[in-house]
Amino acid sequence: GQQVMQIPQYQHVQEGEDFTTYCNSSTTLSNIQWYKQRPGGHPVFLIQLVKSGEVKKQKRLTFQFGEAKKNSSLHITATQTTDVGTYFCAGFKVSNYQLIWGAGTKLIIKP
Amino acid sequence: DAGVIQSPRHEVTEMGQEVTLRCKPISGHDYLFWYRQTMMRGLELLIYFNNNVPIDDSGMPEDRFSAKMPNASFSTLKIQPSEPRDSAVYFCASSLPGQAKNIQYFGAGTRLSVL
Repeated sequence: GQQVMQIPQYQHVQEGEDFTTYCNSSTTLSNIQWYKQRPGGHPVFLIQLVKSGEVKKQKRLTFQFGEAKKNSSLHITATQTTDVGTYFCAGFKVSNYQLIWGAGTKLIIKP
Repeated sequence: DAGVIQSPRHEVTEMGQEVTLRCKPISGHDYLFWYRQTMMRGLELLIYFNNNVPIDDSGMPEDRFSAKMPNASFSTLKIQPSEPRDSAVYFCASSLPGQAKNIQYFGAGTRLSVL
């Protein structure tokens, strides 16, 4: 069935280091969304990418959507403690109106 | 708007008991989703509704689980009888109609523990 693979599962970084998570879909997506879930919280929508090759920025966060609309990445520059949490990608296909969720990447800041 | 409201926030029950989780979506949202989240299986879609009608319940684990949406402002997820393996966080989410309809807004979740 349709899947969205997300790696890595965990990433430990020192505060100030960069962080990147990657998503790959087995099929072409209509769009891809990114959500953040803080520890003990609920997923919160960050951004949606629709166009092939699209790049969007939110302050220190950069989101990319691949040319084939099958992969995406989220890059955080100079991580801060407020960035801690799990980042999920979710691919959307209009044909079955479902978000297919990646497993998430947990960002951990080393003390 | 108050956002998606779920109740209770925490539920502890004994195996075999009936559990009912409640959700009030954001006013004007016509899609409603129920998810389950565990460490082992991640975030799983259980069922979703459009205009109060169940569209896809293929994620409902078994007949012990049922969901209803009697009107646009209320939905329930029921587990009867509950089992320890049902312990998880259950999220409800809703989404807008129109172009932004696939962006989902989550409630705070219900943390269920079945002893």
